[in-house]
Amino acid sequence: DAGVIQSPRHEVTEMGQEVTLRCKPISGHNSLFWYRQTMMRGLELLIYFNNNVPIDDSGMPEDRFSAKMPNASFSTLKIQPSEPRDSAVYFCASSPSYTQYFGPGTRLTVL
Amino acid sequence: GIQVEQSPPDLILQEGANSTLRCNFSDSVNNLQWFHQNPWGQLINLFYIPSGTKQNGRLSATTVATERYSLLYISSSQTTDSGVYFCAVELWTSGTYKYIFGTGTRLKVLA
Repeated sequence: DAGVIQSPRHEVTEMGQEVTLRCKPISGHNSLFWYRQTMMRGLELLIYFNNNVPIDDSGMPEDRFSAKMPNASFSTLKIQPSEPRDSAVYFCASSPSYTQYFGPGTRLTVL
Repeated sequence: GIQVEQSPPDLILQEGANSTLRCNFSDSVNNLQWFHQNPWGQLINLFYIPSGTKQNGRLSATTVATERYSLLYISSSQTTDSGVYFCAVELWTSGTYKYIFGTGTRLKVLA
């Protein structure tokens, strides 16, 4: 298996632009997680899905962030409009039960 | 909310030395994982260990759930062990599962 796939790996955008991050989980995994990592706040869970259904989005910082999982093999995290404070590494992880497997991350820079 | 604290925050070792990393958590948890984030940013799961002891090569982990701590042992350390080690806990609260990462222990192994 190729592992969790994230795209793009790097994204540089200007403040106010829409950003869409993509994730393909490992086949057969029924849970998917979106995390954000910054120096100041460490690793934070933004939202997670179980069987494509959002279970807990209490970590989503504000209404500018939204996440979808239209099917078992694809999820998106969208930021609109983006702000400089959104600059971070965004990780997607998937899990068959308890163990989480992380993707390589997307490094987002908002200028 | 639950606190997940790791110690020490930073650790420098000479190659071949042994070390113990600690993770304390302030509430009962359903499960606990240890991760290694390598210098390239990739997060790799090491152990899923809600209780008891597990070993994998030079690494082993012990969780004493009743006393709310977990230990990660690294024996005969190698330069490739460098990076940041995180513990992450899962707990059931307010009608949903929460996933919380500790602040990490940054390890540098010198040749």
